[in-house]
Amino acid sequence: GENVEQHPSTLSVQEGDSAVIKCTYSDSASNYFPWYKQELGKGPQLIIDIRSNVGEKKDQRIAVTLNKTAKHFSLHITETQPEDSAVYFCAASLRTNQAGTALIFGKGTTLSVSS
Amino acid sequence: GAVVSQHPSRVICKSGTSVKIECRSLDFQATTMFWYRQFPKQSLMLMATSNEGSKATYEQGVEKDKFLINHASLTLSTLTVTSAHPEDSSFYICSAREPGYNEQFFGPGTRLTVL
Repeated sequence: GENVEQHPSTLSVQEGDSAVIKCTYSDSASNYFPWYKQELGKGPQLIIDIRSNVGEKKDQRIAVTLNKTAKHFSLHITETQPEDSAVYFCAASLRTNQAGTALIFGKGTTLSVSS
Repeated sequence: GAVVSQHPSRVICKSGTSVKIECRSLDFQATTMFWYRQFPKQSLMLMATSNEGSKATYEQGVEKDKFLINHASLTLSTLTVTSAHPEDSSFYICSAREPGYNEQFFGPGTRLTVL
């Protein structure tokens, strides 16, 4: 069935290093791939997204790449800072029904940035 | 922009009682809102899609008679957990999507504890 795999589940980096989180999806019809950052006890916050007609998108220290052929997409955070520490979720739009496009989420990556 | 609020932020109730959670889009109209449930250290699981003016669409395995959803206006959706039991204790999060856009913006979540 529809599935989104996310790796790694945990990631520890030193401040200033880069962090990369990877996701794969199963439905070739997916056309929208957002990334969310969730801090403890809070709702997810949209940090960047990419549509299937684009291969890469960048917003300051954050970038996302998409390989439609391989059905995987990645989040890249450069010059990491302690405040980047959080759980990051990837998601994919895996179907469109009469209600609109739903999102299926990966299992999350806990990023820890130590100073 | 794109602010979604939830109320209450946390609620403790006795087993067998019902609890209502509100989700509001504050600065945009949302014809579609989504309700998710998140258990500790796990990902977000879509429960149902809430459509303004029509019945909600529930995901497989989610009891529609237990989780009542009402989307009475373009800015408000409510989730009522009826006859709550301890296993319903979880973090409930809503998201809202503006018509014509893919982006989903999440509320801050509601922590439900059933004693």
